[in-house]
Amino acid sequence: AQSVTQPDIHITVSEGASLELRCNYSYGATPYLFWYVQSPGQGLQLLLKYFSGDTLVQGIKGFEAEFKRSQSSFNLRKPSVHWSDAAEYFCVGNDMRFGAGTRLTVKP
Amino acid sequence: DTEVTQTPKHLVMGMTNKKSLKCEQHMGHRAMYWYKQKAKKPPELMFVYSYEKLSINESVPSRFSPECPNSSLLNLHLHALQPEDSALYLCASSQGRGPFNYGYTFGSGTRLTVV
Repeated sequence: AQSVTQPDIHITVSEGASLELRCNYSYGATPYLFWYVQSPGQGLQLLLKYFSGDTLVQGIKGFEAEFKRSQSSFNLRKPSVHWSDAAEYFCVGNDMRFGAGTRLTVKP
Repeated sequence: DTEVTQTPKHLVMGMTNKKSLKCEQHMGHRAMYWYKQKAKKPPELMFVYSYEKLSINESVPSRFSPECPNSSLLNLHLHALQPEDSALYLCASSQGRGPFNYGYTFGSGTRLTVV
């Protein structure tokens, strides 16, 4: 089935460290990919999206993601994590199929 | 206005009660959605209204009944729920249906507890 996969259930990083959250997709054609963030008990906020064109996508809150067709990946990155980035992150594909999510914990 | 507004934020109801969740957007979006999210799980799609036509996830029990009075409003009527229906219910909207939707805008959700 066409879908997205997030291999990491939980990641812990220190504040100020760099972050990379992994997402792999299994679509035949160029997919439409999104990253959403969800703070505890809250709704979801769109961080960034990829449809076509430039493979490096800039989003809000200092996040970026790179679409790599050769690796079927759309990993989310941030150069320096802030404590407020602690949340659940979802990679989402075509027709809004959600990955399982990655929970980010930020250590002081 | 770039928001999806959901009311109430919290709801506690008994198994014999009838209640409704409400969702509103004024972005001119023509597709609206209800999602159910259990703790530590991704959201699961329940219903889609696209141009005020309903698409149903057939695994959703009939005790959940959606209603779309107009393109800006979406309700979810609840009747005879079970404790396992306790969850965060999220409403979302998009410009249109399908991969060209440019992403969904989500509300902050209604935390439902069935006792």
